[in-house]
Amino acid sequence: DADVTQTPRNRITKTGKRIMLECSQTKGHDRMYWYRQDPGLGLRLIYYSFDVKDINKGEISDGYSVSRQAQAKFSLSLESAIPNQTALYFCATSDVGSSNQPQHFGDGTRLSIL
Amino acid sequence: AQSVTQLGSHVSVSEGALVLLRCNYSSSVPPYLFWYVQYPNQGLQLLLKYTSAATLVKGINGFEAEFKKSETSFHLTKPSAHMSDAAEYFCAVSAASGSARQLTFGSGTQLTVLP
Repeated sequence: DADVTQTPRNRITKTGKRIMLECSQTKGHDRMYWYRQDPGLGLRLIYYSFDVKDINKGEISDGYSVSRQAQAKFSLSLESAIPNQTALYFCATSDVGSSNQPQHFGDGTRLSIL
Repeated sequence: AQSVTQLGSHVSVSEGALVLLRCNYSSSVPPYLFWYVQYPNQGLQLLLKYTSAATLVKGINGFEAEFKKSETSFHLTKPSAHMSDAAEYFCAVSAASGSARQLTFGSGTQLTVLP
């Protein structure tokens, strides 16, 4: 089984709909992250959480919200989806420590908003 | 502030040829540097990381990278390309101290290996 699991893997929805992307991990890491990937732009950080009570905005948090339900679960919500939120979304985790800890990624959720 | 520039969004090499993927960074503090690889329909996998120990870092699948502070570079190389190396490669930087405890990614380089 994958260490970082994202659901769903693919989703097509309409403008204005509320969407939730879910991430669960079995690595026992405290830190979790949500990124979006767009062609030619690399990965950009949306939100991150260093423990259950800690939520931080990333570079592009507008239009998104998150919930850290437990150490192992971190969900991303789009309250009212718009077409420019069409992208590939990744969840990642990392261990506690300095900035040299690598991040471990899920396989992504491909989201299309019509 | 920290940033990463990957020169060349697409690189093509012949099978058996040298692979060179370029990465330059900027950081106001000593950086930690990473290379990740992304195969189709998969997430990113760590290839290697630089954490201020040896400047030449060896990673998985025969890849290595050299940290050059004077050039603010961390280029990825592999002596002989294999068809299975075809993927997208991302360079990333993380601050070694302070509150910037996050990764900043470059825009990626798509590597094509020609038979």
